[in-house]
Amino acid sequence: SAVISQKPSRDICQRGTSLTIQCQVDSQVTMMFWYRQQPGQSLTLIATANQGSEATYESGFVIDKFPISRPNLTFSTLTVSNMSPEDSSIYLCSVDRGQFLSEAFFGQGTRLTVV
Amino acid sequence: AQKITQTQPGMFVQEKEAVTLDCTYDTSDPSYGLFWYKQPSSGEMIFLIYQGSYDQQNATEGRYSLNFQKARKSANLVISASQLGDSAMYFCAMREGLSGGTSYGKLTFGQGTILTVHP
Repeated sequence: SAVISQKPSRDICQRGTSLTIQCQVDSQVTMMFWYRQQPGQSLTLIATANQGSEATYESGFVIDKFPISRPNLTFSTLTVSNMSPEDSSIYLCSVDRGQFLSEAFFGQGTRLTVV
Repeated sequence: AQKITQTQPGMFVQEKEAVTLDCTYDTSDPSYGLFWYKQPSSGEMIFLIYQGSYDQQNATEGRYSLNFQKARKSANLVISASQLGDSAMYFCAMREGLSGGTSYGKLTFGQGTILTVHP
């Protein structure tokens, strides 16, 4: 299994500011995934981050709003930019073992509240 | 169209009894995987069980079993001998193979079912 450390675990931020969420994995992984879970909702993929290339964003998510860095095979950051109350969500990073039927492992999540 | 459908927003079960959480899926990809996750109020995602599209037998993992009916495109989770600690949100998810493209590896989640176990 993979151990994922995600920081911060929670934060309360002012609208218009930005927050950077860090995700550290205890082993090298090819792909890292960032999900958003709005209150009472399911998880929605924001983007897939591969080391050495630009992140691939899902429909409805743009790089200017959610810039992602992937400097090496064990680390990634997601920034939520110019926040509004609608950005209040749980943000989760995820990795898998690179095998199609292997389970995905998740960080503890970042519970973000924008006021 | 929804790729993963969980039709039960909430379910209640008595402690020590079994409960089935429903999940149907939609894909034209012959190669796919189905996963169940548990999310307690703390927000973490806990992997429970998976089933591959080519698996002949239903997956089992302790008190969890997956009732996989490929022709009906359903992958229901059965929890036997429910415990109070089973109270949580449960998500069904799918990973598609050939059609993943640049998003290969991503999971598509259902809306979830909140399970409440009564003593």
